[in-house]
Amino acid sequence: VQLQESGPGLVKPLQTLSLTCSVSGESVSSRSYYWSWIRQPAGKGLEWIGRIYGSGTTSYNPSLKSRVTMSLDTSKNQLSLKMTSVTAADTAVYYCARNVLRSFDWLDPWGPGTQVSVSS
Amino acid sequence: DIQMTQDPSSLSASVGDRVTITCRASETINDHLNWYQQRPGKAPKFLMYGASRLHSGVPSRFSGSGSGTDFTLTISSLQPEDFATYYCQQTYISPGTFGQGTKVEVK
Repeated sequence: VQLQESGPGLVKPLQTLSLTCSVSGESVSSRSYYWSWIRQPAGKGLEWIGRIYGSGTTSYNPSLKSRVTMSLDTSKNQLSLKMTSVTAADTAVYYCARNVLRSFDWLDPWGPGTQVSVSS
Repeated sequence: DIQMTQDPSSLSASVGDRVTITCRASETINDHLNWYQQRPGKAPKFLMYGASRLHSGVPSRFSGSGSGTDFTLTISSLQPEDFATYYCQQTYISPGTFGQGTKVEVK
């Protein structure tokens, strides 16, 4: 399984950030996995943004829930992330990852990440 | 949210050293604790789940222990490729939260 994030590297404040994660080797509509987004500001730790199941069911981090929407494009085998009203605090590397939920819950593998900067 | 605190934030070690990193949860998470390794400029790599269960392909020099609120990651004999930052993550209660990371540097 391989994942690859893509999107604009620069977004203006208060605009909407849109990212795509292309998945190969596994169907995003599989009922075996979830797909998560995680972000990491430069030099800082990791923050889980949310996840989407193959059926389209979503779960978001409450701290971002009001601004985040995740969706699947099964025809392209992609997942997408939209985040509205971005500020400089949203500047980070954004990762997508396959999220295994069985007796335990883990993220593997991860995409290489895509840098997003919020600036006018 | 459950707060995860790692100690130390950084450490210096030499190849062959035994290294131990601790991770503490602000409330009990049973054994729902993962470990990831992140090399500079790379995505995190999954190492371990369930506090002590090695992911497939992870070298046996990595081990984990703990339950409840206190956990450890041990590298029995540090190898050159192990110099990296390590993160713990709890998945007991959503949202899954990460520790701030422990950077293992060359002494």
